[in-house]
Amino acid sequence: EVQLVESGGGLVQPGGSLRLSCAASGFTVNSHYMSWVRQAPGKGLEWVSVIHHDGNIFYADSVKGRFTISRDNSKNTLYLQMHSVRDEDTAMYYCARVSYISSWSYYFDYWGQGTLLTVSS
Amino acid sequence: QSVLTQPPSVSGAPGQRVTISCTGSSSNIGAGYEVHWYQQFPGTAPKLLIFDNNNRPSGVPDRFSGSRSATSASLAISGLRAEDEADYYCQSYDTNLIGYVFGSGTKVTVL
Repeated sequence: EVQLVESGGGLVQPGGSLRLSCAASGFTVNSHYMSWVRQAPGKGLEWVSVIHHDGNIFYADSVKGRFTISRDNSKNTLYLQMHSVRDEDTAMYYCARVSYISSWSYYFDYWGQGTLLTVSS
Repeated sequence: QSVLTQPPSVSGAPGQRVTISCTGSSSNIGAGYEVHWYQQFPGTAPKLLIFDNNNRPSGVPDRFSGSRSATSASLAISGLRAEDEADYYCQSYDTNLIGYVFGSGTKVTVL
């Protein structure tokens, strides 16, 4: 059974740093595209970053240069290192597996339960 | 502001059919990228509802169906039930942004 369990969220001051983790089971993270998606309180879903099975990485413009996605194959875990956080980064952060049938189709087939980041002084 | 536009809310009586539109552009849906839909209940993670425009994952009732044309897509819920009251999001890929994009979300209310 595929499972994704996020952890690491919490209260951080503006300008601070935090690392989120996503422990995967039932599959290996390095054989799939893996992504982070966030949702600010009362708002919609926003894609944050993706790491491909071949190691290619992409970011949303809103986090580029501040956030870093990575994975540890030995721990089958996905990470999101966040630096210089801002008030607008406050959100529930979901880890999600990306499924792709072709180069025209990319969707999130499994999601974790989320971990909450609150940026506040 | 979301790249894909959805109506903020739709409503219907039990048993009725409701549709949710998702309007994109030539850099996402119009470029040929497939559209996917997610259902989200308050306080829970989104769940994949429809993939590749009109395919349902195992366990999703056939009351849910999707369609796509040109630069837009639609999700239809037929035989509306109280348990369908949730937020619904469309999603695709955008070649200009080089990333995944979501719709603004639609809240479905069962009257």
